[in-house]
Amino acid sequence: KQEVTQIPAALSVPEGENLVLNCSFTDSAIYNLQWFRQDPGKGLTSLLLIQSSQREQTSGRLNASLDKSSGRSTLYIAASQPGDSATYLCAVISNDYKLSFGAGTTVTVRA
Amino acid sequence: DGGITQSPKYLFRKEGQNVTLSCEQNLNHDAMYWYRQDPGQGLRLIYYSQIVNDFQKGDIAEGYSVSREKKESFPLTVTSAQKNPTAFYLCASSINADLNTEAFFGQGTRLTVV
Repeated sequence: KQEVTQIPAALSVPEGENLVLNCSFTDSAIYNLQWFRQDPGKGLTSLLLIQSSQREQTSGRLNASLDKSSGRSTLYIAASQPGDSATYLCAVISNDYKLSFGAGTTVTVRA
Repeated sequence: DGGITQSPKYLFRKEGQNVTLSCEQNLNHDAMYWYRQDPGQGLRLIYYSQIVNDFQKGDIAEGYSVSREKKESFPLTVTSAQKNPTAFYLCASSINADLNTEAFFGQGTRLTVV
């Protein structure tokens, strides 16, 4: 069974600092990996989707890398802003069609 | 505008009652999913459907039921057999069951047992 882990569980940084969020998964036979953002009491907003054949994806200040062989993905957020404060979730889809989620990293950006 | 709509946003259930959570999408997606989210835990899959009139159990299906009579609708019923139903429920969809497609989520329903 696929297990997804996100460390740290919480992170607090001053505004302007770069953020580095980690995601690891136990079964490297994944088809894609998706990063989401969740604001308190809200649903999930998709940030980036990385196909298994790709090594990274970029969108604005966000960059996500994927190392499938070692079972790791990293989400980088450049020049953090208070509006980036949220919980960030990673999820992988394996050949059973299921999205397996990590518990998330809660980020606080201090003004 | 296109998207996934979940209703109601908040739902209260008495002990022993069945309640149904609505999920509707106008994205023309084939695949739909129901997840449960508890504090400090990742999302857990309850049921998923890859096509109309077909659905499969996820990791925590006990005490829940679903139907998929229409492509755009995938309602979830929380039955009295679900012993700990208080949670945040999220519905998602993707274009099809292809393993490389992006998943989109609704805004969630918070269910509380009173």
